Amino acid sequence: KQEVTQIPAALSVPEGENLVLNCSFTDSAIYNLQWFRQDPGKGLTSLLLIQSSQREQTSGRLNASLDKSSGRSTLYIAASQPGDSATYLCAVNDYKLSFGAGTTVTVRA
Amino acid sequence: DAGVIQSPRHEVTEMGQEVTLRCKPISGHDYLFWYRQTMMRGLELLIYFNNNVPIDDSGMPEDRFSAKMPNASFSTLKIQPSEPRDSAVYFCASSPQADQPQHFGDGTRLSIL
Repeated sequence: KQEVTQIPAALSVPEGENLVLNCSFTDSAIYNLQWFRQDPGKGLTSLLLIQSSQREQTSGRLNASLDKSSGRSTLYIAASQPGDSATYLCAVNDYKLSFGAGTTVTVRA
Repeated sequence: DAGVIQSPRHEVTEMGQEVTLRCKPISGHDYLFWYRQTMMRGLELLIYFNNNVPIDDSGMPEDRFSAKMPNASFSTLKIQPSEPRDSAVYFCASSPQADQPQHFGDGTRLSIL
C-alpha cells in the first residue's frame, strides 16, 4: 500500500521568504505526482502535476521537483505572500491518488 | 468551463437516515472519483469509475455505502443507514485519463447527528 508523508506538518514564515515543502512516498511505481492547495472549508485546487518521466514542473512562483527513485518530491514557493497561506497536499497517482496529511503554511505580513 | 459540481454543499441529518450525495463531472472526463476527508484519516479514496463502470471500491468502508454512475454526467454516493462516524467532507473529482490531473468539486460537508 502506498504511504505518503509530508514534512513539516506546519510552517510559519515572514512574507518574502521562500517556502520548501517536502513529500515522500514508499512505492516508486507511479504515473505522476500532483500538488494541491486547500483553503479552509474549501475544495482542492490543483497546482502542479509532474509525470513520472519528468524531473520538475514550474508555474509562476511555484516549482516542483520529483525524484522517483528516492520517493521524494519538493514544492518550492518563491517570495511567499500572505495569500499563499493554506494547506498544501501532495498526492501520488499509482492508478489512484494517495494523499499526504498536508503542510499548513502561514505567511506573516 | 464548468468544473466538477457537487450537491448539496452541506447536509445535516439524523442518524439512521438515508443520505444521497450528487456529482456532475467535467464533460469529457472518463474517470470519476469519490473521496472522503476527515481530521483523523485525511483524504481517502472511496471508489472510482471509468466510463461509468466501477473499477475499484476497496475504499468503501461498509455495505452501508454504495455508489452509482448511471451515465457519463452524473454519479451518486449513498449512505444507508447513516451513522455519526460518517460525518466528513465528501469530494468528487474527475479526470480525462488515469494519468491526467484530477479536478475536484467543492465538496459536501456532511454532519450526522
